[in-house]
Amino acid sequence: AQRVTQPEKLLSVFKGAPVELKCNYSYSGSPELFWYVQYSRQRLQLLLRHISRESIKGFTADLNKGETSFHLKKPFAQEEDSAMYYCALSVPYGGATNKLIFGTGTLLAVQP
Amino acid sequence: DADVTQTPRNRITKTGKRIMLECSQTKGHDRMYWYRQDPGLGLRLIYYSFDVKDINKGEISDGYSVSRQAQAKFSLSLESAIPNQTALYFCATGQNQATQYFGPGTRLTVL
Repeated sequence: AQRVTQPEKLLSVFKGAPVELKCNYSYSGSPELFWYVQYSRQRLQLLLRHISRESIKGFTADLNKGETSFHLKKPFAQEEDSAMYYCALSVPYGGATNKLIFGTGTLLAVQP
Repeated sequence: DADVTQTPRNRITKTGKRIMLECSQTKGHDRMYWYRQDPGLGLRLIYYSFDVKDINKGEISDGYSVSRQAQAKFSLSLESAIPNQTALYFCATGQNQATQYFGPGTRLTVL
């Protein structure tokens, strides 16, 4: 089954502390994974994708195929990082396209 | 970022009523999507469209229909709303599956 699991509904850390938002996936093919972020009262937006291997706002995510994980990390959390974070997996759908399968999201709360 | 807009932003309706949620985009993207977001369930795909003549069901299309009136417009209809359709609905656009641009969402409550 194709699935994205984010085991933590809420992650609360203090400002300056390291952050790791967990994401595990279930997919038999070659995965294409993303992190989306939703700040309070704002729309969902792409944070990063694994194939670009880039760092956005200090966040990075490494695909670990052995552990089927794509955890999102940041060494020093900032208060403005507080948001809802969704991990997503792109899979073939309908024979002609892909679709995104979203995890249930993790709310990151960074305390001052 | 007002490239993807949704109307209305909030709607309260009664069981059995017909409801239409509208989505417009100025990004010039061919692909448009409708998702619903429920607490604890994340986002689930309702319908998607590649162009005006191409409409496809997503994973939870029962009870919904869509219309792609133009490249820039994609509306979602609930023919006869029921309480378990109470959710936050998002429209999204994209040129490829990787990057999708989301609207602000419509909060629908069915009493």
